[in-house]
Amino acid sequence: EAGVTQFPSHSVIEKGQTVTLRCDPISGHDNLYWYRRVMGKEIKFLLHFVKESKQDESGMPNNRFLAERTGGTYSTLKVQPAELEDSGVYFCASSQDVLGNYGYTFGSGTRLTVV
Amino acid sequence: EDQVTQSPEALRLQEGESSSLNCSYTVSGLRGLFWYRQDPGKGPEFLFTLYSAGEEKEKERLKATLTKKESFLHITAPKPEDSATYLCAVQTSGGTSYGKLTFGQGTILTVHP
Repeated sequence: EAGVTQFPSHSVIEKGQTVTLRCDPISGHDNLYWYRRVMGKEIKFLLHFVKESKQDESGMPNNRFLAERTGGTYSTLKVQPAELEDSGVYFCASSQDVLGNYGYTFGSGTRLTVV
Repeated sequence: EDQVTQSPEALRLQEGESSSLNCSYTVSGLRGLFWYRQDPGKGPEFLFTLYSAGEEKEKERLKATLTKKESFLHITAPKPEDSATYLCAVQTSGGTSYGKLTFGQGTILTVHP
């Protein structure tokens, strides 16, 4: 089965610009998660979708971040306007069940650099 | 606030030299503890989930154990291909999202031939 796909793999943008990250979960996985790792820090939770609904967005840092999952398939994470501190690796994960009894499958991530 | 601390930050081993990685946690209520392996440029790859103190799980040269305060990942006779960052994450009971994992910073394991 195809894994979780994220693109772009790398993005370099200037401060103040807009960037949109995309995640395609494993087919049939209703649960989709966004995480990010800022340099030198641990991976941190951003939000959780169940199908197209936001189940938990407690980790979203501020209102410059907007996540969508129209139709309950792929998801996008938009950062507008980007700031220097948004640099990091953004991971998407999906799971068959919310409890993760079969694990959460992660994508390879998008490395975002804001200059 | 849930906290996960992994030690050591980095570990260098000779091929065949067994060792253990530690993950200590402080959570309000543990539902599951996850171990992941991450290779450079890749996302975390699922290894194990442990749910209760005393539980053990094995996969090839890896064995994970769980107590009420910490988990250990034992690596027996490691090979160079075991070199990676090993991540520990906890999942708490209650709350609005069981999918919210709290990660430690990871242990970077290097195995020399």
